[in-house]
Amino acid sequence: EVQLVQSGAELKEPGESLKISCKGSGYSFISYWIGWVRQMPGRGLELMGIIYPGDSDTTYSPSFQGQVTISADKSTSTAYLQWSSLKASDTAMYYCVRQASPLRWGQGTLVTV
Amino acid sequence: NFMLTQPHSVSESPGKTVTVSCTGSSGSIASNFVQWYQQRPGSAPTAVIYENNERPFGVPDRFSGSIDTSSNSASLTISGLKTEDEADYYCQSFDSNNYVVFGGGTKLTVL
Repeated sequence: EVQLVQSGAELKEPGESLKISCKGSGYSFISYWIGWVRQMPGRGLELMGIIYPGDSDTTYSPSFQGQVTISADKSTSTAYLQWSSLKASDTAMYYCVRQASPLRWGQGTLVTV
Repeated sequence: NFMLTQPHSVSESPGKTVTVSCTGSSGSIASNFVQWYQQRPGSAPTAVIYENNERPFGVPDRFSGSIDTSSNSASLTISGLKTEDEADYYCQSFDSNNYVVFGGGTKLTVL
């Protein structure tokens, strides 16, 4: 069974750094793009960027370029989303998705700043 | 930039049929598959339609999807509405670079 399991909820202060994770299982992790999706409270879904774990090729949506870093570790089948300096406006639910048809979703990580 | 536009909200009575639209901004919506996701409060989205009109295992046949090239839009139709169908619904497709694009979401109220 394909699964994406994300790390737990985080409560941080403005200016702090953070790295959240998404571990894939039940499929070839290196063969599918992984995306990160932001959902701010009461708002819609926004794709932040995507990474191809096979070669770490990464593309960011213009709104998120320079604001976050997406990475992946093939050896542990884990993708990451990180911030170097959090802002209150980063408060949101963050989902990882396996880019296929349909998208397969992680359970979400709530980040509160 | 390719965008998908959905109505902000729709409402209908139990037992009735409702249709949610998703209109592409440019090009042909038929160029890439359209998916539909249901999101209940406090939960991650789950697919109810993929590849325009296919239902994932476990999704009842009350849910159906279609594409209308004349209006450059996709539609999600839910028949025999139940109170449990009350949720947010998002369409999703891809742009010319195979980048995921989401619609803004539609809040379905079953009253």
